[in-house]
Amino acid sequence: DIQMTQSPSSLSASVGDRVTITCRASQSISSYLNWYQQKPGKAPKVLIYGASSLQSGVPSRFSGSGSGTDFTLTISSLQPEDFATYYCQQSYSTPITFGQGTRLEI
Amino acid sequence: EVQLVDSGGGLVKPGGSLRLSCAASGFTFSSYSFNWVRQAPGKGLEWVSSISTGSSYIYYADSVKGRFTISRDNARNSLSLQMNSLRAEDTAVYYCARDYYGGSGYKRIDNWGQGTLVTVSS
Repeated sequence: DIQMTQSPSSLSASVGDRVTITCRASQSISSYLNWYQQKPGKAPKVLIYGASSLQSGVPSRFSGSGSGTDFTLTISSLQPEDFATYYCQQSYSTPITFGQGTRLEI
Repeated sequence: EVQLVDSGGGLVKPGGSLRLSCAASGFTFSSYSFNWVRQAPGKGLEWVSSISTGSSYIYYADSVKGRFTISRDNARNSLSLQMNSLRAEDTAVYYCARDYYGGSGYKRIDNWGQGTLVTVSS
């Protein structure tokens, strides 16, 4: 199975900050990497697919980059509604696997 | 509007069984593959099982293989997860989740049910 490791596990930031979350795969996954946002008590929501493509309806302050084993999710200017937990997920092979999550806090 | 409605969760004793359901509407159900993804209290996301459009390809996480069975009924627009021999570590919110490929060929989960809580405890 492909292991996904995110860092940091938690992050404190302020409105307007630029933040970056990283995700590393245990083997090359090309660009088969997705990012999700989850708020407490809610289902996850896809933000980025194919490592760098913005899902329809997602604000442009979210961006993704990387390929192979190293990936990043960047939020260019944090908004109050962005405080949530973020997960990376590989869709390169079954079983699909998720990172452990990054909790973004004020 | 795409809707996935999860149901069937509840409290069950260790060794017991439960059947989860996901009712789909607002799209052509038979054209999409689906997953069950779970989340233990305060923990991260864990993929449980997936099923292809015509049920030809079915996969399970090692942690549930031999105990859980995924199925779908394309005529009724429904997805199910039969869970047997339940253990305390199966306690989680279970989400029905739709795969989407789009033109890019990159698969992602683009729609999720609201989740249904399964608690395994004596």
